Parts: sequence; structure tokens; C-alpha cells
Amino acid sequence: DAGITQSPRYKITETGRQVTLMCHQTWSHSYMFWYRQDLGHGLRLIYYSAAADITDKGEVPDGYVVSRSKTENFPLTLESATRSQTSVYFCASSPDTLSGNTIYFGEGSWLTVV
Amino acid sequence: GESVGLHLPTLSVQEGDNSIINCAYSNSASDYFIWYKQESGKGPQFIIDIRSNMDKRQGQRVTVLLNKTVKHLSLQIAATQPGDSAVYFCAETNQAGTALIFGKGTTLSVSS
Repeated sequence: DAGITQSPRYKITETGRQVTLMCHQTWSHSYMFWYRQDLGHGLRLIYYSAAADITDKGEVPDGYVVSRSKTENFPLTLESATRSQTSVYFCASSPDTLSGNTIYFGEGSWLTVV
Repeated sequence: GESVGLHLPTLSVQEGDNSIINCAYSNSASDYFIWYKQESGKGPQFIIDIRSNMDKRQGQRVTVLLNKTVKHLSLQIAATQPGDSAVYFCAETNQAGTALIFGKGTTLSVSS
């Protein structure tokens, strides 16, 4: 049971380049989320999706683009990476009801923008 | 706006002691709260949750207390063990009830 997987796990990119972080879940969960985690800020919600083709902005959406053409995938794209986007990115998924024990997090993607 | 925060960024305890981690929230309309544990290099892991119609909920070695009057949430860990060393986050649902908003986290260090 693969669960929820993120790729790549580690990425170094240059300022201005486009980067896509992939998230795949095998449970057919309706909800998927992208968070970023920085020292001093905890986890901040970037975007979330309640179902395929439905996405909504979170707390810090600027500079990011998401899509949800398939229920199981929720890629996060940095169209023109900036140093301030150096962070750890966590994808998560949840079935219909938003209960804490049914929100599953991936292992994270460490992104460094130089 | 919505915000969830913790009172102390770090907490150091001895093995066997009871730990109390605090969290203050600002959205009085929040009706669901969760505590997560995050170990180094891993994603957050669910510990315990509580709904706003309750003021206490117990799990295995953990208890969550909710005081809606002062908008305060706490996590109590009984007989703290070295394996409890991690960062602990409180979280609440956003106003739409469609996503979680996290606090900044408290680092718990347990020494033997």
C-alpha cells in the first residue's frame, strides 16, 4: 500500500526556473492539500482541492499553480522559482470528511532555490 | 483572519514527567481542533482531535483540553518518553471547514 507519495524528495533549482512537485495518493481521497513548512512559520496552506477539477487558494498561494485533472494526482508548480520559495513542501490527502485522523501527509519534498 | 499559535517554541522535560503543550487560537468560530506530532524528516502524524462541543478528550497517554472561553487548547502527555521528542502542532479547520490551518509548533525535548 503506497499511500501518499511525493516526488522529487529533494530538489535544487535556480531562480527563475519552473519546478513541479508531484503528489500521488492511492486511496481515491477527495481532498488534497499542499503545505509549505519554514522555520518560524510552521505549516502554511498553499492550495487545496476538494475534488478533481476543483482547487482553492490557501494562506500563501502567490507564486504557485496547481491542477487536479485526476483524483489521485495533485501537482504543485512554481512557475518562476524564487529564493523565498526554498522550503519543505508537504502534500496531504483526506477522504470526504475533514477529520484529523484521516488526513495523511506525505514525507515531504525539500526544495532549495539558489 | 485565522491564526493558530503556540505559547512556547520549546519545552524540555525529563523522562517520566508529564508534559503540557499549549496553543492559542483566534477564530472563535472554529469547531474542530487537532494535535499533530512531527518527527525530524517526516510528515505530521495525527495524535488526537477534539470538537468544540467537548472540553476534554483522552487518548493513550495523551489528553487534549479545550477552553473556548479563552480560546485555548492544550495537549498533555503523561509519562513522557524519549520517543515523544518531536515538534507538536495544533491545527484548526478553516472557516469553510475544508482545510487545516496549523500553528507554529512547539519542540518537545525529552531527556533520559
